[in-house]
Amino acid sequence: GAGVSQSPSNKVTEKGKDVELRCDPISGHTALYWYRQSLGQGLEFLIYFQGNSAPDKSGLPSDRFSAERTGGSVSTLTIQRTQQEDSAVYLCASGRQGSNTDTQYFGPGTRLTVL
Amino acid sequence: AQSVTQPDIHITVSEGASLELRCNYSYGATPYLFWYVQSPGQGLQLLLKYFSGDTLVQGIKGFEAEFKRSQSSFNLRKPSVHWSDAAEYFCAVGGAGGTSYGKLTFGQGTILTVHP
Repeated sequence: GAGVSQSPSNKVTEKGKDVELRCDPISGHTALYWYRQSLGQGLEFLIYFQGNSAPDKSGLPSDRFSAERTGGSVSTLTIQRTQQEDSAVYLCASGRQGSNTDTQYFGPGTRLTVL
Repeated sequence: AQSVTQPDIHITVSEGASLELRCNYSYGATPYLFWYVQSPGQGLQLLLKYFSGDTLVQGIKGFEAEFKRSQSSFNLRKPSVHWSDAAEYFCAVGGAGGTSYGKLTFGQGTILTVHP
């Protein structure tokens, strides 16, 4: 079946602009995760959605970052007033049940460059 | 707080040689441990995972890992490396509950180069 897809694959924006990154999880997966991969910080957890529960936003680096998941499927990560330090690859993953033993299936990522 | 250390940033081996990638974790309870591989321009792919039971776990592509509680380690091994194994490898520990539930904490990664 289809894996996790993300769009766009690459995004170049100017400092101060807002950007939206999209994630389509594997059909039927109830858990969805966003991570950020950057040279300086490695792979960092950002936010986690599980079913209808309130999301775990503990990894969001600032209030410029937000995410939503509509209809328990597609998710959008929004970064407002982008800064150069937001440049990174943003990875989305989904899991069948969101348990701590769950396998997370990763998408190819969106490479964000802030000029 | 949980953490993962991969001491080797870059490892180079010859094709056909054996491989061991090191991973040390810090975690207050029974850890849930994972190894992922990332090829250039690709997302992460799960190689194997450990939750409980037999401390030697087998994964895909001929990889295995051994959990050693006394050493807080979960090293990844392969007896004979193939050129296609060249990639970046990440060790991760999963949260056990509460606000940590479901999220992974990753090590900094080890880049593997394979010489013909």
